[in-house]
Amino acid sequence: LAKTTQPISMDSYEGQEVNITCSHNNIATNDYITWYQQFPSQGPRFIIQGYKTKVTNEVASLFIPADRKSSTLSLPRVSLSDTAVYYCLVGHINTDKLIFGTGTRLQVFP
Amino acid sequence: NAGVTQTPKFQVLKTGQSMTLQCAQDMNHNSMYWYRQDPGMGLRLIYYSASEGTTDKGEVPNGYNVSRLNKREFSLRLESAAPSQTSVYFCASSEALERGETQYFGPGTRLLVL
Repeated sequence: LAKTTQPISMDSYEGQEVNITCSHNNIATNDYITWYQQFPSQGPRFIIQGYKTKVTNEVASLFIPADRKSSTLSLPRVSLSDTAVYYCLVGHINTDKLIFGTGTRLQVFP
Repeated sequence: NAGVTQTPKFQVLKTGQSMTLQCAQDMNHNSMYWYRQDPGMGLRLIYYSASEGTTDKGEVPNGYNVSRLNKREFSLRLESAAPSQTSVYFCASSEALERGETQYFGPGTRLLVL
């Protein structure tokens, strides 16, 4: 079962780059790595997904080393509106039940 | 497109009462999911439906039942509510049940069991 470990919380200031790392030592060959963002009183929202190396979209980058036992979500130049909980999700639901960890609570200060 | 909708938004039950949480999606997705989220915790999968006509247990299925009424709708039933079921319930859907397909979440139902 591919469980994940993330820091419980992180603080940053507006304009800084934030990197959140997720450990997933038991990742399986078919597993993808997906990151979600959740604001208070809302459902999670998809940010980015990857399988290996680097993926970039309009809001974030995802770095995955060759052994795939960890991944790093990179948020460039965060703003106050990026204050949220970020979840790393690893799984292929045909073999694992989707497991969300406790997430990383990011607080961005002015 | 409304995406994923859930009703009700908020509900208070007494111990032993029953209720059904409704979920509908208009994205023509094949797979649907029910999660619960306790205060300060991550989401835990209760049940999921890979496709119309199929359902399967997730991480925490005890005390719940589900029905995939059609491709659009997936309901969650609490037959005899308990205080331990006080939580926020999220429904989600995805195109398919494979490769960690992106899930789209509803706004949640906040349930308080007294």
